[in-house]
Amino acid sequence: DAGVIQSPRHEVTEMGQEVTLRCKPISGHNSLFWYRQTMMRGLELLIYFNNNVPIDDSGMPEDRFSAKMPNASFSTLKIQPSEPRDSAVYFCASSLRAGIRSYNEQFFGPGTRLTVL
Amino acid sequence: AQSVAQPEDQVNVAEGNPLTVKCTYSVSGNPYLFWYVQYPNRGLQFLLKYITGDNLVKGSYGFEAEFNKSQTSFHLKKPSALVSDSALYFCAVRDMGYQKVTFGTGTKLQVIP
Repeated sequence: DAGVIQSPRHEVTEMGQEVTLRCKPISGHNSLFWYRQTMMRGLELLIYFNNNVPIDDSGMPEDRFSAKMPNASFSTLKIQPSEPRDSAVYFCASSLRAGIRSYNEQFFGPGTRLTVL
Repeated sequence: AQSVAQPEDQVNVAEGNPLTVKCTYSVSGNPYLFWYVQYPNRGLQFLLKYITGDNLVKGSYGFEAEFNKSQTSFHLKKPSALVSDSALYFCAVRDMGYQKVTFGTGTKLQVIP
């Protein structure tokens, strides 16, 4: 298995531009998570999906952030407009959720390093 | 609510010595506990988890962790540290009644040759 795939690996953009990050979860996994990692705030959960449905987006910092999961094999995280404080590493992770008591671990992608100038 | 604390930002240990990375947690119900490792410029990798049963859990790369319910701790241990173990280690907890996993702030492990 190729693992969780994220693209691009690096993104440099200017303030005000739209940024779209992409994620392909591991085949068969039904939960998908978007995280942001910075030195100041550590690892933050932004949003997660079960069976392509957003369950909790309370971690999304502002309305400038949006995430979609149109099918089981693809998700996007969009920032519009981007700001310098959005600079961070964004991780996508997936897991197999088998019921409410599922305890399966998450598999992380390599991350997208976003720099907003 | 659930939370996890990693009291040490950094742990230094000499190669060949035993290592311990500390983690304490708080949940309202029974916990699921995890350890992940992150190498530079990489995503987090799963090391081990405690769900139920034996309090001593063995994981990847010779790591193990001990669940202590009375002290609400889940410390990561390894009998003999390797330079290649140098990385960032995250403890994570999930209350059985919730889906979200809460990660700690991470502990940087530095193994000195």
